[in-house]
Amino acid sequence: NAGVTQTPKFRILKIGQSMTLQCTQDMNHNYMYWYRQDPGMGLKLIYYSVGAGITDKGEVPNGYNVSRSTTEDFPLRLELAAPSQTSVYFCASSESMGTTGELFFGEGSRLTVL
Amino acid sequence: AQSVAQPEDQVNVAEGNPLTVKCTYSVSGNPYLFWYVQYPNRGLQFLLKYITGDNLVKGSYGFEAEFNKSQTSFHLKKPSALVSDSALYFCAVRASSGGSYIPTFGRGTSLIVHP
Repeated sequence: NAGVTQTPKFRILKIGQSMTLQCTQDMNHNYMYWYRQDPGMGLKLIYYSVGAGITDKGEVPNGYNVSRSTTEDFPLRLELAAPSQTSVYFCASSESMGTTGELFFGEGSRLTVL
Repeated sequence: AQSVAQPEDQVNVAEGNPLTVKCTYSVSGNPYLFWYVQYPNRGLQFLLKYITGDNLVKGSYGFEAEFNKSQTSFHLKKPSALVSDSALYFCAVRASSGGSYIPTFGRGTSLIVHP
């Protein structure tokens, strides 16, 4: 099992550019999440999904969009990159609601906006 | 609303000494509690969790955690620290029922184990 796979690992964007961070998992998990991690700030939830076709906002959704067309994939879209979006992004997955399952994380995508 | 506090940004300990990383939480009803570890330039890895039952939970790499309901705490412990334990540690909480099933993470504690 590959677990949770994120691409790219590193990316530099110019202000105003757009990009998509890819995330795929092979554990057949229904729940998927996108977090951003900033130094000393812990993890902030951007968006999450409880299954294919269903997404919802987390704590810091502004400037981002997501889609969930399949159980496996949960891409995160940045439409107009801003320096405030410089961060490390983590995708995670877990078993369905109501279980005690822990989160499985990808290795992260480090994004710099200049 | 649920929340997690990790009162120490950094914990320093000598190799071979016991270590404790503190966590307190707030949640409606009974909690599910988790500890994760993050090594440099890696994703978070699950260490252990408390769901119900014995207040002392054992996890990976010799770590354990003690659930204390009256103090709403879930401190991470290890009897003898290793240099390789140096990493960032996150505590997380979610409600066992009712409320949000989405876990809330603390800000993380950097553990530094000195040789």
